[in-house]
Amino acid sequence: KAGVTQTPRYLIKTRGQQVTLSCSPISGHRSVSWYQQTPGQGLQFLFEYFSETQRNKGNFPGRFSGRQFSNSRSEMNVSTLELGDSALYLCASSFSGGTHEQYFGPGTRLTVT
Amino acid sequence: QKEVEQNSGPLSVPEGAIASLNCTYSDRGSQSFFWYRQYSGKSPELIMFIYSNGDKEDGRFTAQLNKASQYVSLLIRDSQPSDSATYLCAVNFSDRGSTLGRLYFGRGTQLTVWP
Repeated sequence: KAGVTQTPRYLIKTRGQQVTLSCSPISGHRSVSWYQQTPGQGLQFLFEYFSETQRNKGNFPGRFSGRQFSNSRSEMNVSTLELGDSALYLCASSFSGGTHEQYFGPGTRLTVT
Repeated sequence: QKEVEQNSGPLSVPEGAIASLNCTYSDRGSQSFFWYRQYSGKSPELIMFIYSNGDKEDGRFTAQLNKASQYVSLLIRDSQPSDSATYLCAVNFSDRGSTLGRLYFGRGTQLTVWP
């Protein structure tokens, strides 16, 4: 069974731009969660989607948004990029979310200059 | 305040030894616990998960839960140099069956296994 895929793998943007990241979960998984990983803050939860609905949201500003499509693929968008948004963005796939196990994709490394 | 604490290490053990990693969490009612391994430059890989109903063994890995003391441990038997990585502990503080899939992560423990 194929794992979680994320595109693009690497991205360089300048301050003020916006970016869209994509995640395709494991086949049959309906829950997608997004996390941000930085050396200073570690892994922090952004939001979770299930059946095209945002079910849970972390403490990030409104510049961070996401959506999920009917095939469970998910995108996250960051508008008006700031230098501090430079991070590894990870998508995690779960069969039904909740307390079930989550499997991470390879991540998208975003650098904001 | 939901918190997950890990000793950042580094933890260094010789090849063949048992590596013991610990993680404490803030909410006694937590139901699900996860251990991830992360190699440098890679994404976290799920290696073990347990729920509040018991310990679990999988090959060289054993995850143990102490609910009274609110800590979970990961034991790696017969440690190999390929086990050298950062180990992340994650907790879902929600009740079993909850739809809230948010994981809280510790900062990770760096493990080095030397030949």
